[in-house]
Amino acid sequence: EVQLVESGGGLVQPGGSLRLSCVASGFSVSTIYMSWVRQTPGKGLEWVSVIYSDGRGGSTYYADSARGRFTISRDNSKNSLDLQMNSLRPEDTAVYYCAREGITATGQRGAFDLWGQGTMVTVSS
Amino acid sequence: QSALTQEASVSGTEGQKITLSCTGDSNNVGSYAVGWYQQVSHGPPKTVMFGNSLPSGIPDRFSGSKSGTTASLTISGLQPEDEADYYCSTWDYSLSASVFGGGTKLIVL
Repeated sequence: EVQLVESGGGLVQPGGSLRLSCVASGFSVSTIYMSWVRQTPGKGLEWVSVIYSDGRGGSTYYADSARGRFTISRDNSKNSLDLQMNSLRPEDTAVYYCAREGITATGQRGAFDLWGQGTMVTVSS
Repeated sequence: QSALTQEASVSGTEGQKITLSCTGDSNNVGSYAVGWYQQVSHGPPKTVMFGNSLPSGIPDRFSGSKSGTTASLTISGLQPEDEADYYCSTWDYSLSASVFGGGTKLIVL
């Protein structure tokens, strides 16, 4: 079955760190673009970061809110995607989803075609 | 302020045809595939349209299109279970980021 399963969320104090993981089944994370997307309670979806496939050099990009504090990475041996979050702030409180960015039949990128169930991160003292 | 603009809410009656829109610019919607995601009661998003393709398991009453810098999601024959929040997203070349719309709350009357 093709699926994504996140883990690693929890309660952390401001300034603390947390590492999220997303294990993929049914496909290889090394061959496709993978992103983290978050959702603050009651608000909309916010993109956090993307890591490109090995074939595209594994380049990484971040939202302004994440740059310098979060690091996205991939463990091909575990077929997993990680997000190391440092210097956490209360405004980072959200459900974090990993998402696969597929390629359409016409060869276009841009849309997510698979989502995990999410993991909750709460930053509070 | 979201990079992509969506209606805040849309309502329709069962069986009606409704269209949701997602407006961006040439750096995003005009250049890349747009995804549409359904979110029921703040559960995980589910992709209901991938570019102009219907993912497996999604009813064919859902359809997608794009004209210039506006993408649309049409639901023909609205059903009570279609009541949800709908988000659109795509890649933005100038921002080097994926961007989302603010979401549309679809109410089935």
